[in-house]
Amino acid sequence: KQEVTQIPAALSVPEGENLVLNCSFTDSAIYNLQWFRQDPGKGLTSLLLIQSSQREQTSGRLNASLDKSSGRSTLYIAASQPGDSATYLCAVRRGESGSARQLTFGSGTQLTVLP
Amino acid sequence: GAGVSQSPRYKVAKRGQDVALRCDPISGHVSLFWYQQALGQGPEFLTYFQNEAQLDKSGLPSDRFFAERPEGSVSTLKIQRTQQEDSAVYLCASSPWGGPLSGNTIYFGEGSWLTVV
Repeated sequence: KQEVTQIPAALSVPEGENLVLNCSFTDSAIYNLQWFRQDPGKGLTSLLLIQSSQREQTSGRLNASLDKSSGRSTLYIAASQPGDSATYLCAVRRGESGSARQLTFGSGTQLTVLP
Repeated sequence: GAGVSQSPRYKVAKRGQDVALRCDPISGHVSLFWYQQALGQGPEFLTYFQNEAQLDKSGLPSDRFFAERPEGSVSTLKIQRTQQEDSAVYLCASSPWGGPLSGNTIYFGEGSWLTVV
């Protein structure tokens, strides 16, 4: 059974700092990996998606990397802002179609960026 | 609507009461997922529909949980004889169909917050 772990569970940084969030998974046979953002009382918003054949994806100040063989992904946030404060969730998808498209999530990293 | 809509947003149920949670997916989306998110945890898969067919219900924690999507659009998650451990946020997500890449796009609702007292 796939297990996804995120470290740290919580992180507090001053505004402007660069930071890295970590995600590890036990079964390297994944179809893709996604990073989501969840604000309090809200649903999940997809930030970046990395296909299993890719090494990294970038969107603005966000960069996500994937090392499938070692079962690891990192989310790099540059020049953090108070508006980045949220919980960041990592999720892996097992397969291409049908129920294999379900996501297995980590427990998240709660990020607070202090002004 | 433009996104996935869930109702009620908040529900307080007495232990033993039955509850029904509704999900309106994005129009035309073939795939629909239900997830359960306990406080401080990531979402956990409950069940998956492709149109009206429930293809996977392996994540439903007990036979008190039942989900349906009779016409392939709106879905209802029903919990019978609620217990305190059922307290969680129930998230619905939908996704279009049409190939692997389009299937990557998944949209989550804001969830139904259930508290069992």
